[in-house]
Amino acid sequence: QQPVQSPQAVILREGEDAVINCSSSKALYSVHWYRQKHGEAPVFLMILLKGGEQKGHEKISASFNEKKQQSSLYLTASQLSYSGTYFCGSGSPYKLIFGSGTRLLVRP
Amino acid sequence: NAGVTQTPKFQVLKTGQSMTLQCAQDMNHNSMYWYRQDPGMGLRLIYYSASEGTTDKGEVPNGYNVSRLNKREFSLRLESAAPSQTSVYFCASSQPSGAGISYEQYFGPGTRLTVT
Repeated sequence: QQPVQSPQAVILREGEDAVINCSSSKALYSVHWYRQKHGEAPVFLMILLKGGEQKGHEKISASFNEKKQQSSLYLTASQLSYSGTYFCGSGSPYKLIFGSGTRLLVRP
Repeated sequence: NAGVTQTPKFQVLKTGQSMTLQCAQDMNHNSMYWYRQDPGMGLRLIYYSASEGTTDKGEVPNGYNVSRLNKREFSLRLESAAPSQTSVYFCASSQPSGAGISYEQYFGPGTRLTVT
């Protein structure tokens, strides 16, 4: 089952904050977050594991609520370079199912 | 290190033609993956190889075959291309932890395939 991401798109001014949500109808054991710029490959940002361990980006944080089967990605003091499409992925270690993405545009 | 490389970068096929997309990684990763991404959509897993010598189906395997040639290389073959296979194809690799948890995936630059 594909995770559901919200919002579908968001426009920010540089320096503003954003939250991107990812929810699943199935139990989540881990959640991956990736960012993809237009015409480029996805790039790993963060992984959250059951039990609270996180591995990833220094300037971007995330939360993982196992009971609610949700994860949220927090982008604080956004920079122009944060623009792109953000995908969450969940599932078994080898079979990630990705959401359809959240398009983020940061304007000067 | 080149990371994950893919060839070709672009390809146009006629319906019914066959082709093989090549992928190689130099990070000594055990696991490799093939995804497709349709315009404005997320990534969908076609096939994966958890380790050398094994392959398994993902979400959308129909119309594709794969070969894990060795630890470095993982190829994707379209035997009889169809317009519905027009997409961007990404190869990725990762290194599972000892606990069987697969960490970050590193993606190649993609192959843009058009089937007319």
